[in-house]
Amino acid sequence: GAGVSQSPSNKVTEKGKDVELRCDPISGHTALYWYRQSLGQGLEFLIYFQGNSAPDKSGLPSDRFSAERTGGSVSTLTIQRTQQEDSAVYLCASSSNRRETDTQYFGPGTRLTVL
Amino acid sequence: AQKITQTQPGMFVQEKEAVTLDCTYDTSDPSYGLFWYKQPSSGEMIFLIYQGSYDQQNATEGRYSLNFQKARKSANLVISASQLGDSAMYFCAMRDTGRRALTFGSGTRLQVQP
Repeated sequence: GAGVSQSPSNKVTEKGKDVELRCDPISGHTALYWYRQSLGQGLEFLIYFQGNSAPDKSGLPSDRFSAERTGGSVSTLTIQRTQQEDSAVYLCASSSNRRETDTQYFGPGTRLTVL
Repeated sequence: AQKITQTQPGMFVQEKEAVTLDCTYDTSDPSYGLFWYKQPSSGEMIFLIYQGSYDQQNATEGRYSLNFQKARKSANLVISASQLGDSAMYFCAMRDTGRRALTFGSGTRLQVQP
């Protein structure tokens, strides 16, 4: 079956612009996660969705970051007024939340470069 | 707070040999799960193996096995019969019952030499 997909695969933007990153989870997966991977900070959790609600958004680094999920499926991560330190690979993952292991399966990521 | 430590930034192994990638963790939660992921140069995180804190036996998945020593809080990944395609970054991660999010270690870059 299809895995997690993300778009765009690469995004180059100018400092101060807004960007939207999209994640399409594995069909039937109720849980969706956003992570950020950067050279200096490694892999960091940003936000977790269960259905359309976000019970854990503790990893969002500032109020410039927001995310939503609609229809229990696609999620969009929005970064407003981008800064150079936002440059990173943004990874999305999904899980079924049905088993003890609840393994998270990752998408290919969106590489964001802020000039 | 959870913490995952991977002390080997880089490792080399000869093709067909076994290699152990180290991972230690710290948590106060008695119930937790440990994961290993592989990240090739393409960037995608590929799930390899899972170990639950209450599992009595070490997890195995094909050529991957997990050497789980609960008292030492270590969960080392063993790759047997290394292949050139095993060259990648390997991340250890943990999830405890309090959160759904994974906490990742800093990773180990494995290079398999012919």
